[in-house]
Amino acid sequence: GENVEQHPSTLSVQEGDSAVIKCTYSDSASNYFPWYKQELGKGPQLIIDIRSNVGEKKDQRIAVTLNKTAKHFSLHITETQPEDSAVYFCAASKTQGAQKLVFGQGTRLTINP
Amino acid sequence: ETGVTQSPTHLIKTRGQQVTLRCSSQSGHNTVSWYQQALGQGPQFIFQYYREEENGRGNFPPRFSGLQFPNYSSELNVNALELDDSALYLCAQRGTAPGELFFGEGSRLTVL
Repeated sequence: GENVEQHPSTLSVQEGDSAVIKCTYSDSASNYFPWYKQELGKGPQLIIDIRSNVGEKKDQRIAVTLNKTAKHFSLHITETQPEDSAVYFCAASKTQGAQKLVFGQGTRLTINP
Repeated sequence: ETGVTQSPTHLIKTRGQQVTLRCSSQSGHNTVSWYQQALGQGPQFIFQYYREEENGRGNFPPRFSGLQFPNYSSELNVNALELDDSALYLCAQRGTAPGELFFGEGSRLTVL
């Protein structure tokens, strides 16, 4: 089955700097790669996603890149702000059949003022 | 705001008891899935329901069961609770684009 590895497990950056979180996946049939942000005591919030027919996607300060050949994808956050502090999860799935998201282990991002 | 509502938000049970967790959605989609998130881990897929039938299950034993109702609300039932069942249980509804999943805030279960 699918396996998703996520690095780093913790990341601390100065406010205004960029943050990058990386994930690798094992199943070449996976074609959908969402990123979730989870704040303390809340459920995961979908912040951006990318599909296998696209190499990069941007939404304001957030961007995601996908390398299908290497089976890895990354989240980039620019001009970080204190409210970006949270745990971020990558995930992978196939969009056909049962919708089973396989998550990475999470990255705790801390933005230092 | 995802429009996915879960109840209760917190509950405490003892080992061997049974628990029922509930989920509803403002939009009412015909597909709902449940995930278990242990402390410090990513969510793990338990199962998915489509039009009131289970159509996918993760690596969870049969004591984890579910129901989906005609109004597309859903329940997760766990029998014979074990200490390791302590976790945040998340309900997710599909979005309009393929693959999109939106989660509720979860029900935090503590088993003593």
